[in-house]
Amino acid sequence: TQLLEQSPQFLSIQEGENLTVYCNSSSVFSSLQWYRQEPGEGPVLLVTVVTGGEVKKLKRLTFQFGDARKDSSLHITAAQPGDTGLYLCAGSPYNQFYFGTGTSLTVIP
Amino acid sequence: KAGVTQTPRYLIKTRGQQVTLSCSPISGHRSVSWYQQTPGQGLQFLFEYFSETQRNKGNFPGRFSGRQFSNSRSEMNVSTLELGDSALYLCASSLEGSAYLSSYNSPLHFGNGTRLTVT
Repeated sequence: TQLLEQSPQFLSIQEGENLTVYCNSSSVFSSLQWYRQEPGEGPVLLVTVVTGGEVKKLKRLTFQFGDARKDSSLHITAAQPGDTGLYLCAGSPYNQFYFGTGTSLTVIP
Repeated sequence: KAGVTQTPRYLIKTRGQQVTLSCSPISGHRSVSWYQQTPGQGLQFLFEYFSETQRNKGNFPGRFSGRQFSNSRSEMNVSTLELGDSALYLCASSLEGSAYLSSYNSPLHFGNGTRLTVT
């Protein structure tokens, strides 16, 4: 069992649709991060959420940290082909950095 | 500012051989961590070095080892390669390392990885 479970694992949608990716854990995190990884590249940090209940917006991306700091969600509005990639949540409840299981998003033009 | 550089980008080895991968962090970053990425297991933490000392280690066998030099460059070594070691190996650098990884001031910066294929 992974420390951070993401759902869905795969997502294929049409350009312009909305979507939500979930990141869940039974552990409490002081903060969670979201990364996007494109083929052939390393993950790139999108956002860090720190406070329970916090909502952060990055253009069409909205990130939320659960009140209990055990889960987070990423909502994309009006998805574009450039949003295609692997989305990873990550956090460090102990002295290691754990990544989620990942959500592979494909946005079809 | 140059990013994290990993060499080589691709590597093909046969079972039983050993391999050394290199990572040059962003200038000024003292922490380098290594990750293995496979389709089945996702991104898994291997180990972290900070100022030439291994600070944390993940659940990988002793065949996986690493070191960090005084200029913060890091190498990771895998001995007696197995087919299951085929993966993308990523390194990441940060200012302060694992104790502050979730800090706004010390995010992880990843290289583009080394794709290792073991035949």
